[in-house]
Amino acid sequence: SSELTQDPVVSVTLGQTVKITCQGDSLTSYYASWYQQKPGQAPILVIYGNNNRPSGIPDRFSGSRSGNTASLTITGAQAEDEADYYCNSRDRTGDHVLFGGGTKLTVL
Amino acid sequence: QVQLQESGPGRVKPSETLSLTCSVSGYSVNKDFSWAWIRQSPGKGLEWVGSVFYIGTTYYNPSLKSRVTISLDTSSNQFSLILTSMTAADTAVYYCAREGGRGWNYCSFDPWGQGTLVTVSS
Repeated sequence: SSELTQDPVVSVTLGQTVKITCQGDSLTSYYASWYQQKPGQAPILVIYGNNNRPSGIPDRFSGSRSGNTASLTITGAQAEDEADYYCNSRDRTGDHVLFGGGTKLTVL
Repeated sequence: QVQLQESGPGRVKPSETLSLTCSVSGYSVNKDFSWAWIRQSPGKGLEWVGSVFYIGTTYYNPSLKSRVTISLDTSSNQFSLILTSMTAADTAVYYCAREGGRGWNYCSFDPWGQGTLVTVSS
């Protein structure tokens, strides 16, 4: 498959831990990156190369991979983490780029 | 820091050609990295349109390949997108972004431009 699959909606209680997943065959060869997008704004990179955080991203964001599934974990979710989250990787050829369909995270 | 800014028409007519430019500051487009276009239809997810490597090699989304051209303008430190035969399905916010990881085992886009809405309508 040349797709990345995400759950459309996930919710978490304020202060709790949530895991957002991304599944696809290409993830056995390539690490996922993760983006946060709030309404009306451009996406921002929160995790790349599986578990690297760009400067300025809080350490409550972390990434991991198991088999063909990548995960973004938010430990101690905050109200400001409510957003859409997208994963991406390369396809199996390495030439093209895939995006997951996105997960809308609600913080209760 | 590196900043990207899209520019171009906000509206094109069906069957016409879209031309967008991304101006880059704080980094030379011919130094390293790839430079990408990504779009987002209203209320939908992100779709990679294509990328140009800093030496000029291009990579396109197979679903758009017949209509897309992406190129570098090193004299202006810009890169551009041309998308032909526009239809309503091409209505979207178009983002430009710097792409890392080509040739490595990951792909990341950072930073992004603010995006520009392109509407296809007569």
